[in-house]
Amino acid sequence: RKEVEQDPGPFNVPEGATVAFNCTYSNSASQSFFWYRQDCRKEPKLLMSVYSSGNEDGRFTAQLNRASQYISLLIRDSKLSDSATYLCVVNSMDSNYQLIWGAGTKLIIKP
Amino acid sequence: NAGVTQTPKFQVLKTGQSMTLQCAQDMNHNSMYWYRQDPGMGLRLIYYSASEGTTDKGEVPNGYNVSRLNKREFSLRLESAAPSQTSVYFCASSVRGRVTEAFFGQGTRLTVV
Repeated sequence: RKEVEQDPGPFNVPEGATVAFNCTYSNSASQSFFWYRQDCRKEPKLLMSVYSSGNEDGRFTAQLNRASQYISLLIRDSKLSDSATYLCVVNSMDSNYQLIWGAGTKLIIKP
Repeated sequence: NAGVTQTPKFQVLKTGQSMTLQCAQDMNHNSMYWYRQDPGMGLRLIYYSASEGTTDKGEVPNGYNVSRLNKREFSLRLESAAPSQTSVYFCASSVRGRVTEAFFGQGTRLTVV
């Protein structure tokens, strides 16, 4: 079983809709959680960190569920520019704080 | 504002050839990393350097060597390239070993034929 698992998609979503996707992690000692965004043939860039109480940044909301070991990303009022691959990332003391990456969920926003 | 700079951006090698991928960061970060990214897989750590003067193996170190030349520069060397090393390589840096945010270079697309 992979340490961090994501649905690869693609999620095809009309512009203006709300979309959500989850990421599960296997190591209960995971301590920090992040969502990165990667555009086609580009480098990953941090979208947002995920805090225990959940957090919001504009149209983006991230949630953490430690009991079920997953994090989620919700995008409201989706824009064409949101089309990208979203990478879930976790780290833990067990892995010497190294980042463990999911393979990503591809999102396509359609006009 | 350069951030993390990788060279080259593209490279084609023949099996058995060697090459070095260069990476430099101007953010005064302590930690630097080399990843490879293959289709359908997450980023996999090849080597990392938690601080100047130290390097450690990551998840997939076989066939690679690294040098932390100074605080700014971290190079990755393929001594004898193999087709299995065809991939996109990313260099990244962060403030310190306990990673908060990693900043990436633009990547090197390597094809080994």
